[in-house]
Amino acid sequence: AQSVTQLDSQVPVFEEAPVELRCNYSSSVSVYLFWYVQYPNQGLQLLLKYLSGSTLVKGINGFEAEFNKSQTSFHLRKPSVHISDTAEYFCAVIMNYGGSQGNLIFGKGTKLSVKP
Amino acid sequence: EPEVTQTPSHQVTQMGQEVILRCVPISNHLYFYWYRQILGQKVEFLVSFYNNEISEKSEIFDDQFSVERPDGSNFTLKIRSTKLEDSAMYFCASSWTGKNEKLFFGSGTQLSVL
Repeated sequence: AQSVTQLDSQVPVFEEAPVELRCNYSSSVSVYLFWYVQYPNQGLQLLLKYLSGSTLVKGINGFEAEFNKSQTSFHLRKPSVHISDTAEYFCAVIMNYGGSQGNLIFGKGTKLSVKP
Repeated sequence: EPEVTQTPSHQVTQMGQEVILRCVPISNHLYFYWYRQILGQKVEFLVSFYNNEISEKSEIFDDQFSVERPDGSNFTLKIRSTKLEDSAMYFCASSWTGKNEKLFFGSGTQLSVL
């Protein structure tokens, strides 16, 4: 069965510290990978995505993620976080079945809390 | 930047009542979706809609649920007889291409069934 696992439900971190939010997936077919962010009282906003090509993907707000096929991971990183990065982050995957694709499958989310 | 708009942001209803959640997708988008997130759980796909009919639906989307595009701008999700377990955040999304990697999400409607 296809699934997305975000190992940490909450990640507290101090401002200007680096952060890594972990995401692993399971799939028997090729995948597209995504990170979405949800700021308080706002919708899901696409942070970055991996469709093909370079396994290191850069997104908005200084975030980046690396697709590691052998470890089936797509961890999100930022070298120095700001208070404004406090939000919930969702990893998601789309399965590719040859000529068609599945729907977005989301992880449970990780709440990033940046403290001064 | 164009955005998907959802109203209301919060909806409280009594168990057994009908509720309609409203969405205004981005104007030139053709594909529409509903997702939901029960508190503490994953965001789950409910249904996709294209050309005035359901393209795909999940097992969650049972006979209590229906979707409609009543006019050229709105996309609604109706729950006929709400249950306690319908309490969740409901997200609308739209896409121009029908490719799931190009979805734009709304800010959600928090539904509370009492």
